[in-house]
Amino acid sequence: DIQMTQSPSSLSASVGDRVTITCQASQDISNYVNWYQQKPGKTPKLLIYDASNLETGVPSRFSGSGSGTDFSLTISNLQPEDIATYYCQKYSGVPRFTFGQGTKLGIK
Amino acid sequence: QVQLQESGPGLVKPSETLSLTCTVSGGSITDYHWSWIRQPPGKGLEWIGYVHYSGSNDYNPSLKSRVTISIDTSKNQFSLKLSSVTAADTAVYYCASLIDNAFDIWGQGTLVTVSS
Repeated sequence: DIQMTQSPSSLSASVGDRVTITCQASQDISNYVNWYQQKPGKTPKLLIYDASNLETGVPSRFSGSGSGTDFSLTISNLQPEDIATYYCQKYSGVPRFTFGQGTKLGIK
Repeated sequence: QVQLQESGPGLVKPSETLSLTCTVSGGSITDYHWSWIRQPPGKGLEWIGYVHYSGSNDYNPSLKSRVTISIDTSKNQFSLKLSSVTAADTAVYYCASLIDNAFDIWGQGTLVTVSS
């Protein structure tokens, strides 16, 4: 099985900060990674697909990068509405789809 | 705008079969692949499986022996059956569209509790 290790599990940052969340795959998965945002009590929302492509309607302060085994989601100029849990998700190997453990982002 | 709505019992007894249905509105169920994902209370997301109207499907190996996902094109619905449930299957169950390997549109989710 291909594992996705996401870090950190939680973090707090200040409004205006630049925040980076990482995901590491246990094997090379090319760019087969998506990122989701789940606000408290809400449904997950697709932010980034194919590692670096911004989903329509998602603010440009969100960006994704990486390929192979190392991936990252960056939020520049953090806003209060960005409080959420963020998940990476791979779509390669067995099982076909696996989510990272999640990163809970809070505001200082 | 495609919308998804889960329906089914919120309480299931241990050893019984969990059954949920997802109704697709605002689009055709033949347009995409369709998936079920679950989230135990306070925990992360777990992919359960997907189905396509052509008959193709795939399941998470960790659940494969207990899961069936089927599709009814006449009703624009797809369904999940999970057998021999235990308390570990207590979760919010989401249905979602699967487009180019991304879960693009999600239902609101339905909490299923396994308890006697």
